[in-house]
Amino acid sequence: DIQMTQSPSTLSASVGDRVTITCRASQSISSWLAWYQQKPGKAPKLLIYKASSLESGVPSRFSGSGSGTEFTLTISSLQPDDFATYYCQQYNTLWTFGQGTKVEIK
Amino acid sequence: QVQLVQSGAEVKKPGASVKVSCKASGYTFTSYGISWVRQAPGQGLEWMGWISAYNGNTNYAQKLQGRVTMTTDTSTSTAYMELRSLRSDDTAVYYCAREARGTGFDPWGQGTLVTVSS
Repeated sequence: DIQMTQSPSTLSASVGDRVTITCRASQSISSWLAWYQQKPGKAPKLLIYKASSLESGVPSRFSGSGSGTEFTLTISSLQPDDFATYYCQQYNTLWTFGQGTKVEIK
Repeated sequence: QVQLVQSGAEVKKPGASVKVSCKASGYTFTSYGISWVRQAPGQGLEWMGWISAYNGNTNYAQKLQGRVTMTTDTSTSTAYMELRSLRSDDTAVYYCAREARGTGFDPWGQGTLVTVSS
């Protein structure tokens, strides 16, 4: 099984900050990686697919990069609506989620 | 618009079974797969399995093999997930999500809370 490890688990930031979340795969997954945002009591929402492709309707302050085993999600200027939990997901071999990164208000 | 609507909350006793439905609309059902994902209270997302709505092929997470069955009814564009021999640690919100090859899971159903308690 492919394991996905996110860091950090929790991140405290302020509105306007640049935020970066890292996701590492236990083996190469090429670019088969997605990022999701989840708010309390809601279903996850797809933000990024194929490591760097922005889903339609997602603000351009979100971006993804990486390939192989190391990936990042960057929010260029954190907005109040962005405080949430973020998950990476590999889909190179079946599907596996990272453990999540909670972005909270500093 | 593309939408997945799930059945309502369930309360089950340990050892029982639960079957959750996921009705799709707004797209050609047989052109995509459906994955099921669960989330225990306060925990992360756990992929449970996938079914092709085209031919019914399935892949299940190893830890659930033998307890889970996923099916589809193409006449009603509905996917089903049945989990048997329920335990307290199966208490979770269960989500269905449309899977498109190469693009992740989108959209997701609203979630179904399954509570296992004696």
